[in-house]
Amino acid sequence: DADVTQTPRNRITKTGKRIMLECSQTKGHDRMYWYRQDPGLGLRLIYYSFDVKDINKGEISDGYSVSRQAQAKFSLSLESAIPNQTALYFCATGTPGGRELFFGEGSRLTVL
Amino acid sequence: GENVEQHPSTLSVQEGDSAVIKCTYSDSASNYFPWYKQELGKGPQLIIDIRSNVGEKKDQRIAVTLNKTAKHFSLHITETQPEDSAVYFCAAPISGGGADGLTFGKGTHLIIQP
Repeated sequence: DADVTQTPRNRITKTGKRIMLECSQTKGHDRMYWYRQDPGLGLRLIYYSFDVKDINKGEISDGYSVSRQAQAKFSLSLESAIPNQTALYFCATGTPGGRELFFGEGSRLTVL
Repeated sequence: GENVEQHPSTLSVQEGDSAVIKCTYSDSASNYFPWYKQELGKGPQLIIDIRSNVGEKKDQRIAVTLNKTAKHFSLHITETQPEDSAVYFCAAPISGGGADGLTFGKGTHLIIQP
């Protein structure tokens, strides 16, 4: 089984719909991250969390929210999806100090 | 915050030749520079990293060099093989020691021609 699991792997939705992407991990890491990948733009940080009570905005947090339900679970929500949120989303965990990130296999979201 | 620039965006080399990918960073306080490899349909995976107290690090066919004065670092892959075909990302800490995550370059699509 994968150390970092993302669900769903693929999702097509319509503008205005609420979407939740879920992430769970078995690495035992406190640090968890959500990144977005777009062609030609690399990976950009949306939100990150150091523990259940800690949530921090990243570079591109507008239009997104997150919830850290437990040490092992970190979900990303789009309250009202729009087409320019069409992208590949990655959840990652980080070693103490955040030096190494372990990524899930990604969730591809298409907003029509 | 840190800004990382990566070049080229696409690199095509003959199998067996060497490949070099270059990155520059903006924050002179950055002290950790990892490289990630992303294979098709998968998430990025760390392949090598370097800390600012060394100038070069090697692991079999891959090596990373760091020039702190010029604020650039490079990935070198020798004797390229088909399995080296992937997208490669350089990265640096968003701030401080990196606990709040990494900022990534835009990626290099490396194509190994048979």
